[in-house]
Amino acid sequence: EAGVAQSPRYKIIEKRQSVAFWCNPISGHATLYWYQQILGQGPKLLIQFQNNGVVDDSQLPKDRFSAERLKGVDSTLKIQPAKLEDSAVYLCASSPIAGLEKLFFGSGTQLSVL
Amino acid sequence: QQQVKQSPQSLIVQKGGISIINCAYENTAFDYFPWYQQFPGKGPALLIAIRPDVSEKKEGRFTISFNKSAKQFSLHIMDSQPGDSATYFCAASSSGSARQLTFGSGTQLTVLP
Repeated sequence: EAGVAQSPRYKIIEKRQSVAFWCNPISGHATLYWYQQILGQGPKLLIQFQNNGVVDDSQLPKDRFSAERLKGVDSTLKIQPAKLEDSAVYLCASSPIAGLEKLFFGSGTQLSVL
Repeated sequence: QQQVKQSPQSLIVQKGGISIINCAYENTAFDYFPWYQQFPGKGPALLIAIRPDVSEKKEGRFTISFNKSAKQFSLHIMDSQPGDSATYFCAASSSGSARQLTFGSGTQLTVLP
């Protein structure tokens, strides 16, 4: 079974530039999550999708972050404009159904904002 | 109240020793407590999990001990191996939060050969 796919693996940008991350969850997984993991910290939830609808985006900085999950499959997370404090690993995770505790994580995209 | 506090931040253990990582929580609505293991360059992977209706769960060399009254839980790794060297995260969730996980800050475990 293929795992959660994320790209790119690494991204280096200057502050005020924009960046986008892509995630393809495990086939058939209805729930998709984006987490932000700052170095030395645990993952922090940014947004949760159930199929192509948003379940919770209360911790997403909506002035600069946006996310979509068209057709309920893959998802894109965008940052525009980026700030220095956005430097982190952005993890995508999926689970088969909402409320299922086990999450399957991708390897993440490491973002450096200079 | 959503915080999960984890300690120690880092841990060095000799091969064959016991590794112990502790977590504490405040939110009494939490009813699911997993531990995730993360290797460098990889995403976290579920290692073992417990619900508060039991005080201990064992899977191979990994054991979770749970103390509901103290609102604490811990991960014990018996006979620690160099391959166990990774970052370990405790987490917690509740049915009232759509099962969203709140993670601890992580413990970097190094097992010396």
